[in-house]
Amino acid sequence: GENVEQHPSTLSVQEGDSAVIKCTYSDSASNYFPWYKQELGKRPQLIIDIRSNVGEKKDQRIAVTLNKTAKHFSLHITETQPEDSAVYFCASYSSASKIIFGSGTRLSIRP
Amino acid sequence: GAVVSQHPSWVICKSGTSVKIECRSLDFQATTMFWYRQFPKQSLMLMATSNEGSKATYEQGVEKDKFLINHASLTLSTLTVTSAHPEDSSFYICSATPDGTYEQYFGPGTRLTVT
Repeated sequence: GENVEQHPSTLSVQEGDSAVIKCTYSDSASNYFPWYKQELGKRPQLIIDIRSNVGEKKDQRIAVTLNKTAKHFSLHITETQPEDSAVYFCASYSSASKIIFGSGTRLSIRP
Repeated sequence: GAVVSQHPSWVICKSGTSVKIECRSLDFQATTMFWYRQFPKQSLMLMATSNEGSKATYEQGVEKDKFLINHASLTLSTLTVTSAHPEDSSFYICSATPDGTYEQYFGPGTRLTVT
């Protein structure tokens, strides 16, 4: 069945440094790839997304890249700040019209 | 815009009773809503896709007779956990997709504890 793999499961970076989270998907027909940020006890919040006809998208300190050939997509956070600490989920919108989530990455920003 | 509410935010019930959770899209219409379950420190597990005016589509391993879903209007979907047992204790989150888009917006979640 459809699957999304996410790495790493935990990530600790120094404040001000960059963080990169990577995902791979299995359904070659997937065409929409959102990223969500979830703080403890709160709902997931959509932070950025990318469609299959675009290779890269940027929004201030956050960027997402997509390699459809390799079925990889990545989240890049630059100039990390303490408020970036959270769990991040990648996801893929499958051909079955549902979103499949990755297993999540717990990002910690060290002061 | 794109606000989804969920009620109740938490509920405690006794084994054998049923609990209904409501998910509402407040400022948009959503033909499709989704119900997820999330265990501590784990990802969101899709339980079912709720479609307005038709039967829900359940994921493999999810008992449709135990987790009853009703999507009676374009802004409301309900999940009823029937004959709840302690193993049903979890964080249940709904999401809604504005018609014509892919984006999913999540409700705040409902923490269910079955004693």
